[in-house]
Amino acid sequence: DTGVSQDPRHKITKRGQNVTFRCDPISEHNRLYWYRQTLGQGPEFLTYFQNEAQLEKSRLLSDRFSAERPKGSFSTLEIQRTEQGDSAMYLCASTGSYEQYFGPGTRLTVT
Amino acid sequence: ILNVEQSPQSLHVQEGDSTNFTCSFPSSNFYALHWYRWETAKSPEALFVMTLNGDEKKKGRISATLNTKEGYSYLYIKGSQPEDSATYLCAFNSGSARQLTFGSGTQLTVLP
Repeated sequence: DTGVSQDPRHKITKRGQNVTFRCDPISEHNRLYWYRQTLGQGPEFLTYFQNEAQLEKSRLLSDRFSAERPKGSFSTLEIQRTEQGDSAMYLCASTGSYEQYFGPGTRLTVT
Repeated sequence: ILNVEQSPQSLHVQEGDSTNFTCSFPSSNFYALHWYRWETAKSPEALFVMTLNGDEKKKGRISATLNTKEGYSYLYIKGSQPEDSATYLCAFNSGSARQLTFGSGTQLTVLP
């Protein structure tokens, strides 16, 4: 296993369109996290899964955002009706214990 | 609301200089403190996870210390090299939360 992967790496979309990102965690990790990072800030927590169960969601995760981890393996993050304020780097991380291992992120630009 | 502060925000040093950054975090309900290095177009790379007051960890030329009672950690880089140029992030784990709360990072540029 080569680590956490994310797809796509870059996404440019027009305001109002829907986008979906995918995260493939390290295979034996049962916890998976989504974070969002905007310019000049550190990553901010969005949501996390233990296996297939979504256990916590940040207040940053508006009703336009939805995340799934259907079989406790890969996860998807969907943003509906994108807004310019959604432009950010979306990071995924997985862990089996203390240390969270991050993917390279998906950079979203909403025009 | 958990506040994790990092200073300085950015730093330029000459190759060969030693440098250090600060991370301050809430001293109550501490669980773990993480340091990451994040280079452009790459994944954030875990440097250290520190859990005990007084912990000191070292990886090559990089080391870190932890004071949980006063709520701070220092990251030191000895003899900086251009390849050390990156954003260094610290992140706090409280006992009641699984997720990390990040500082805004220190952007280090090492000039050859």
